[in-house]
Formats: sequence, C-alpha cells, structure tokens
Amino acid sequence: GAGVSQSPRYKVAKRGQDVALRCDPISGHVSLFWYQQALGQGPEFLTYFQNEAQLDKSGLPSDRFFAERPEGSVSTLKIQRTQQEDSAVYLCASTLGLAAAGYTFGSGTRLTVV
Amino acid sequence: GESVGLHLPTLSVQEGDNSIINCAYSNSASDYFIWYKQESGKGPQFIIDIRSNMDKRQGQRVTVLLNKTVKHLSLQIAATQPGDSAVYFCAENIRANTGNQFYFGTGTSLTVIP
Repeated sequence: GAGVSQSPRYKVAKRGQDVALRCDPISGHVSLFWYQQALGQGPEFLTYFQNEAQLDKSGLPSDRFFAERPEGSVSTLKIQRTQQEDSAVYLCASTLGLAAAGYTFGSGTRLTVV
Repeated sequence: GESVGLHLPTLSVQEGDNSIINCAYSNSASDYFIWYKQESGKGPQFIIDIRSNMDKRQGQRVTVLLNKTVKHLSLQIAATQPGDSAVYFCAENIRANTGNQFYFGTGTSLTVIP
C-alpha cells in the first residue's frame, strides 16, 4: 500500500484480556518500529526490527509485551493480560533503509483497557 | 517551548503570521533531529530534519534552527495557515546507536486563528 497501515484503529479490551495489534509497513521497508503514545505525550519507543530480526526491545515496558515480524514484513504487537496503564495509542513506523531517517508512521491503534 | 508533564504547551497565531515553536532536547550526544507534525487521530508526519553539523536548514515555508551549545531546536513556519494547526514534536537521535530510536519531546499545540 501507499502508507503504513495499522489495524484495528480502535480496540477496547477488558482488563486481563490479551490483544494483538497489526502493522503493515510500506512494501520493501526494511526497518519497522513500534511506539507507544499516552494521551498528551510524545511517542515513546517500544521496539525495532530490521527485516525479521528484533534488534532492540529495550522499550517494552514489561514481559507482557511481545512483538514479532516473522517474515520481515507484517508485524504484530501482542499485549498479554492487559492493564489500565496499557491504554494508549500504539504507533507503527517504517523506513526504507537501515540508518536513522524520517519515519513514515501509521495512524495508530487506540487501545482502551476498561 | 517544551515542558515535561501532562500539560501540552500551546501557541496561538493569526493566519498569515509566522510561528516559532521551540524545543529543548536532552542528550548532548544527539546528532540528528526531526520535527514532526501530528494532526488529531493521525500518526506523526515528517516535516524537516537537521544533522548536528548544521545550524540551519530550510524547507518549504519551514526553517529549523539548531543551537548545540544550549541544546535548543526551533521550528519556524512562515505565513501560517489554518492547515498548520496540529501538535508539533521535536525528536532526537544518536545515529551511532544501532537501535535507531528517536526520543520525542512532549509536543507543542499550534492553533491558527483565521
């Protein structure tokens, strides 16, 4: 597609429920990033993939968060046993190359845990 | 300017005036900076970038200034238009890091008054 696509756009989960958020990066983009954006805050880094390799997961807040990109294209961010503090917008971004550059962000998935 | 906390700095300007948005970045080792624009319900959109070996860079209607001595970044928007209303984030990066993650500021909300 023309841009980074994320689904679902909105997700309401009951506390304790598992959720899976999907990201379709721009075709051919090597690097893929996940960010978490709380209300009124800037995005915060979660994890980074180069093709299928997860090179940095230092931003994942707990072991309840897990991300994968098994074939080097589509990525899934999974959150187990969701808690209220997980409520945020989860942004996916991709870039063509390996070096830091301006990301192309998706519109995000707004997760609300009730 | 930028501030830490839940209250987003705001800036209101008249249509046609110039806007200046400021950002104080945190890491003296950061050597690459990007300004992003985020409209409601959308992901951040790349505006302009600058590397640390430069102190000024111009784009279409936008100029970024970098002062490494005081770790300050600014975005100037000429002839501000209603479509410029959004939240603006500065983001910093250390290119030598393999993670390629960006650190975002809290953001400044720009409102253009017609």
